[in-house]
Amino acid sequence: GQQLNQSPQSMFIQEGEDVSMNCTSSSIFNTWLWYKQEPGEGPVLLIALYKAGELTSNGRLTAQFGITRKDSFLNISASIPSDVGIYFCAGRRGSQGNLIFGKGTKLSVKP
Amino acid sequence: NAGVTQTPKFQVLKTGQSMTLQCAQDMNHNSMYWYRQDPGMGLRLIYYSASEGTTDKGEVPNGYNVSRLNKREFSLRLESAAPSQTSVYFCASRKDRGEQFFGPGTRLTVL
Repeated sequence: GQQLNQSPQSMFIQEGEDVSMNCTSSSIFNTWLWYKQEPGEGPVLLIALYKAGELTSNGRLTAQFGITRKDSFLNISASIPSDVGIYFCAGRRGSQGNLIFGKGTKLSVKP
Repeated sequence: NAGVTQTPKFQVLKTGQSMTLQCAQDMNHNSMYWYRQDPGMGLRLIYYSASEGTTDKGEVPNGYNVSRLNKREFSLRLESAAPSQTSVYFCASRKDRGEQFFGPGTRLTVL
């Protein structure tokens, strides 16, 4: 089955640094989502994007829907220890289609 | 609201044993989903139910069956467990034109 290409696979950063991760696909999507999963928990929705070029923020998190509709980006500014977790991108074609997930970016933050 | 609940949280089975994973949501969502998560693989869709009374195969349905018991409950059954089914299983639900909310997961080990 198709999966999205998410990079990087893992990141080790210092508290206070900014973080960038991205997701790419060979196909066009109408919706891009970003989820965060903490150890032992289920994924939690962070940001949803519905229009090409859209830029949406949620606190220190900012995500963008690429203008080609084949990619999306997530930035975290001024990272803190509680940002630790695995970040997943997900794409959907159409309003009722199923989600396709990336393999995740594991973020570690050193205090 | 409890959101999406899953039972059990942990389970160990022997090869060939059967079991049912339970999922319930109290958000009056129409759609429900079962995913499996394996290390480095992201989330893969096993089965989904777009509405009460309907179920459809996802990306990796082999070895599983599902039942949409009513609008609230969607169960996943392993008839004859195999070591390849060792995984973390997540249930999710979604309202029409909304996004998916995930449960806390069931960690299954098949020996």
